[in-house]
Amino acid sequence: EAQVTQNPRYLITVTGKKLTVTCSQNMNHEYMSWYRQDPGLGLRQIYYSMNVEVTDKGDVPEGYKVSRKEKRNFPLILESPSPNQTSLYFCASSSAGGSYEQYFGPGTRLTVT
Amino acid sequence: GESVGLHLPTLSVQEGDNSIINCAYSNSASDYFIWYKQESGKGPQFIIDIRSNMDKRQGQRVTVLLNKTVKHLSLQIAATQPGDSAVYFCAENMNTGFQKLVFGTGTRLLVSP
Repeated sequence: EAQVTQNPRYLITVTGKKLTVTCSQNMNHEYMSWYRQDPGLGLRQIYYSMNVEVTDKGDVPEGYKVSRKEKRNFPLILESPSPNQTSLYFCASSSAGGSYEQYFGPGTRLTVT
Repeated sequence: GESVGLHLPTLSVQEGDNSIINCAYSNSASDYFIWYKQESGKGPQFIIDIRSNMDKRQGQRVTVLLNKTVKHLSLQIAATQPGDSAVYFCAENMNTGFQKLVFGTGTRLLVSP
């Protein structure tokens, strides 16, 4: 089954404790992206990657890092989480050519206290 | 499930009615548009897309209309069912040379039996 998976689905952590949210897709997609979703603000792009070892900032990159060492994986790293990073996070992937349809993972609910 | 928007505009319809959800987009150069459906606790799911060289596209029970003159997009759902209850987002591809989807803040559709 074609899918995007994220782990963990739920995470409660404390300020300053480094964490990683994993994302993996099995569709051989070149393009992957991370979004955060906050009430009233919709989906905002954090970082994206056009292929292995090619990443760039989205609209709200502060406080986040990413890496793309393999085509299928695109982890999101919070080196020193803060309470304003409490949000719902989505990973998405799409093919480089043709349709720009992005396939979304199930989401990760992060709470930073 | 997660709350994706506490203050979203809401459209309430009766089962069997037709629903129309509207979206204003920002960039007159955007070349591609998508409608997504997001159910509680899940990631956004593709419904239908349309390219900027079209003004109408039909799917199964859904129709998307594009009015480039006023930068307006609408999603029509025929014979709305309780399973259609969800938050609906439009997204535009900003046509910057690579994939760059910008999402609207969403509309909640409530379908009562």
